[in-house]
This record gives sequence, structure tokens and C-alpha cells, in this order.
Amino acid sequence: ETGVTQSPTHLIKTRGQQVTLRCSSQSGHNTVSWYQQALGQGPQFIFQYYREEENGRGNFPPRFSGLQFPNYSSELNVNALELDDSALYLCASSLETGAVQETQYFGPGTRLLVL
Amino acid sequence: KQEVTQIPAALSVPEGENLVLNCSFTDSAIYNLQWFRQDPGKGLTSLLLIQSSQREQTSGRLNASLDKSSGRSTLYIAASQPGDSATYLCAVRTGGSYIPTFGRGTSLIVHP
Repeated sequence: ETGVTQSPTHLIKTRGQQVTLRCSSQSGHNTVSWYQQALGQGPQFIFQYYREEENGRGNFPPRFSGLQFPNYSSELNVNALELDDSALYLCASSLETGAVQETQYFGPGTRLLVL
Repeated sequence: KQEVTQIPAALSVPEGENLVLNCSFTDSAIYNLQWFRQDPGKGLTSLLLIQSSQREQTSGRLNASLDKSSGRSTLYIAASQPGDSATYLCAVRTGGSYIPTFGRGTSLIVHP
């Protein structure tokens, strides 16, 4: 049991809509990262939040945005959905101290289907 | 740009065999390398994390090694079991950005 939870587990949207995915980090963790995993691919890094601020971003357009809250839970927002946004969205939490990169603990993911 | 390759893409073996999964990366300036397991349609479970200063890590029947100079890591699974069936992913964090790069994984089936 990793302690990282995500909601919803599955979601169906249509092109052009907006979606919000949620993640609850493992207790004591201060960093959350979001990934997109298309079928048959490895996860692609979207962005990372450390103590409520974005501190790293992958090659994703601005319509992918996020938030981290004081309790270290997090949201991923995607605007103007496209068919290619269909994927498994994973969040991962970790305790980053700056000295050593720690193990990331992943949630079960949210599977998004865009029609 | 860091690129991570995993070989083989798929593997099917009888129970009891010892296995070696390979992960190679193009930029040797890494912070760490992590091996994960992913069951179908599920999230990732961390198996082993190797910091850049380390050569290997062990957990139970799993052993991961790291050779930065050659840009390679191997995951060794001893005495494989049907419950080991899953996709195994490696992820590399590269210096300067901390952004992890994942390989596409090795899909493993261990049959009784």
C-alpha cells in the first residue's frame, strides 16, 4: 500500500472539454509529479510540484496545468481536450530534501478516454 | 536529450529461470536510476533505486546494477515465479533538471 490515491479511476470526455484529475500524496511527502502514459509506452513526465510551486516541466503545452495544495494534495487540469490526450495519468509523490533524490511512490492512475 | 532503451521488449520464460532485463541510457550524467514494476492497467511500484554514486542495490530476489560509464543498468530476477509477470520499467533522472525519463518497459510473462 503506497498511500497515494487518485480520483477518478476512469473518465470519459469529448474533444474540447476540460478535465480535472486529483491526487492525494503519501503522508509526509512534499513533492508530487504527474505523468502521462499512452498505451504501450513508458510514462512521460508532465510537471512536478515542490511545496506548492512548479519546479520542473516536461514537453507538454500550457493547456496542461496543475496545482499543489498546502496539504500536498494535487490537481492536474487539462483544457481543450484532444483525442491524443487519451491515456493513463499517473501521479507520484516523494520526499525531496535537496540532498538526495528519493524514491517516488505512484498512485493507481486515472484512465482518461477522449472521444 | 536523455533517451532510455529497454531490451528485450517482451520475454516469456518458464518458472524458476533466472532473468536479466536491460536498460540503457544515452547521457551518463545521471542522478539516479529507478526500476519499477507495473501490472496491467495499474500504477507503478518501485522496486529498486540506485543513486549515481552506487553500483548496485538488492531486494530479495531482485538485484539491480548500474554502470554509468557504459550507460547501462541491469535488473536480475532470481528464481522467477508466475507472480513476477508484469511490465518492468526503468527511469533515469538526469543532472540539471531532475526530470525522469522512462523506457518503454519489458513485458515479462513467467508461466508455470
